[in-house]
Formats: sequence, C-alpha cells, structure tokens
Amino acid sequence: DIQMTQSPSSLSASVGDTVTITCRASRDFSDWLAWYQQKPGKVPKLLIYAASRLQRGVPSRFSGSGSGTEFTLTISSLQPEDFATYYCQQTDTSPSFGGGTKVE
Amino acid sequence: QGQLVQSGAEIKRPGSSVKVSCKTSGTTFNTYTFNWVRQAPGQGLEWMGAITPIVGTANYGRVFQGRLTITADESSTTTYMELSGLTSEDSAVYFCARGFGANYLDYWGQGTPVTVSS
Repeated sequence: DIQMTQSPSSLSASVGDTVTITCRASRDFSDWLAWYQQKPGKVPKLLIYAASRLQRGVPSRFSGSGSGTEFTLTISSLQPEDFATYYCQQTDTSPSFGGGTKVE
Repeated sequence: QGQLVQSGAEIKRPGSSVKVSCKTSGTTFNTYTFNWVRQAPGQGLEWMGAITPIVGTANYGRVFQGRLTITADESSTTTYMELSGLTSEDSAVYFCARGFGANYLDYWGQGTPVTVSS
C-alpha cells in the first residue's frame, strides 16, 4: 500500500500569504492525487484532482502540482475562508489520505 | 447535482456490528464508485473501502479486511457499510462519498456518528 506523508502538519499564516503544502508518497504512482479542504464539523470538499486539475467552483487561488512521489498544494493570497485542514489523497489501488495540514 | 444522504447516528456495544446506509439521488448510480471514509474524533480521514455498483464487487482497505462489508442495492440506489467486531477505536464519523474518474471524491454524505461504548 502507498503511504502518504503530508508536511507540515500545521502552519500559521495570515490573510494574503501564499501557502504551500507538500504530500510525499512512499512509492511512485500515477498522478491520481486529490486535495481536499475540511472545516471543523463539515464534510471534506474536493479542491484539486489528477494532481493539478481544479474542481468546478473552486477559486483559482488554489493550485496543485507535482508527479511521481511529491505533490504540492498552493494557496495564493490566502483568504479568511481558507483557514481549514487540508488532506491529500492518492487513489491508486488502495486509496489513502495524508495526515492533514491545519492552516491557522 | 448528486446528493448522498446517510442514516442516523448509532450507539453500539463493543463486539457488535453497525450498518450504515447511504442513499444516492440526482446522479447516475451504477457507473460511479461509492466510497466509505471515516474520521475519528480530532483525527484525519481514513479510507475504508469502495464499491462500483455496475461491477458489484467491493475493495477494502487492508486494516478492515475480514470485518467490513460494503454492498450496493441498485433498486434503491443505496450503498451500505457494515462493520463488525466493533471496539472503542471504531468510534468515528463515517462518510460515504461518490468517486469519479480515478475515484476522486466529489459528493459526500453528511456523515454518520458511530459511538462504541459499553
């Protein structure tokens, strides 16, 4: 099974900052990677799929990149509603999530 | 627009089983993959397993092999997740989610809290 390691586990940022979250896989796989945002008490929301494709309705300040074993989520010009926890997920044979990154 | 509606909260004794349903509407049922994901209090997301109704067979996460059963009923467009041998560590919110493409999860149920306590 592929293990996903996210870093950092938490970060402190301010409105207007650019935030970068990294997800590393235990082995190389295709670009079947997604990023989700979850706010407390809420359902996760799909932001990015196929490593870099923006889900419909998601603001363009969110972007994804990477391939192989290292993937990145970037939030440009952080907005107040972006303070949340973010998860990566690989959707290879046995999907798995990263441990999450709390943006506070 | 897809909508997934789950059954209500459950309280279970250790050693028992729980079965949670997920009713799908507003979307084609057979050709998508329906996943189950859980989240323990204050913890991250954990993928449990999935089923594609048109295929019929389910795939399970390694840690759940042997005590997790996921089924789908096409007539009612409902998927079910049954977890047996419950322990306190199974106390969590259980989500169903629709997967598209390479199983990216775009629509989610509202979550079903399951509490395991003696």
